[in-house]
Amino acid sequence: GAVVSQHPSWVICKSGTSVKIECRSLDFQATTMFWYRQFPKQSLMLMATSNEGSKATYEQGVEKDKFLINHASLTLSTLTVTSAHPEDSSFYICSARKTSGTDTQYFGPGTRLTVL
Amino acid sequence: GQQLNQSPQSMFIQEGEDVSMNCTSSSIFNTWLWYKQEPGEGPVLLIALYKAGELTSNGRLTAQFGITRKDSFLNISASIPSDVGIYFCAGRRNNDMRFGAGTRLTVKP
Repeated sequence: GAVVSQHPSWVICKSGTSVKIECRSLDFQATTMFWYRQFPKQSLMLMATSNEGSKATYEQGVEKDKFLINHASLTLSTLTVTSAHPEDSSFYICSARKTSGTDTQYFGPGTRLTVL
Repeated sequence: GQQLNQSPQSMFIQEGEDVSMNCTSSSIFNTWLWYKQEPGEGPVLLIALYKAGELTSNGRLTAQFGITRKDSFLNISASIPSDVGIYFCAGRRNNDMRFGAGTRLTVKP
């Protein structure tokens, strides 16, 4: 199998607070994990690519100081939205690519962030 | 980032009908993937294609990797109500992966 989990599945926070989202590959090792955000009725927009043990690579227009990514192990990557604002409200989805075998990405179930 | 051209945007069909959707790009990809996303969930991989010309089936789903490596299609035969959702294509070239805008499928019983 190739199961990816995310925690929490939804979170509501006050403006100005920070929120951490975890992404775990449950039954495989993932050298690379990806973070996407998705607005209603839109496609997935890649935010950053996270490689285990190194700094994440951010897409153009994504603030690395606002969206902190840590990929400390082959099964865990975290995304921290710092000083969240209402415009950060979105559906955040991670995906993981297996270290070996096919390089297909497997997605987590997503985290719905609402910033009040 | 840049998206693939996926069509149609939406489809309203009757249960039992066949469905066809496709993705095109001006760039060549090494891998084509098709995902299905249901409301409030992450995308789930349906079919992965790794070679130009490859035709792969997964139950009632069939997808093909275009010969030019710039396109792919997905067919769903004999649709059922649980096929409802948004279908995304994705093309991958090395470490670069692009998504289509999605095809929203509605199946009327």
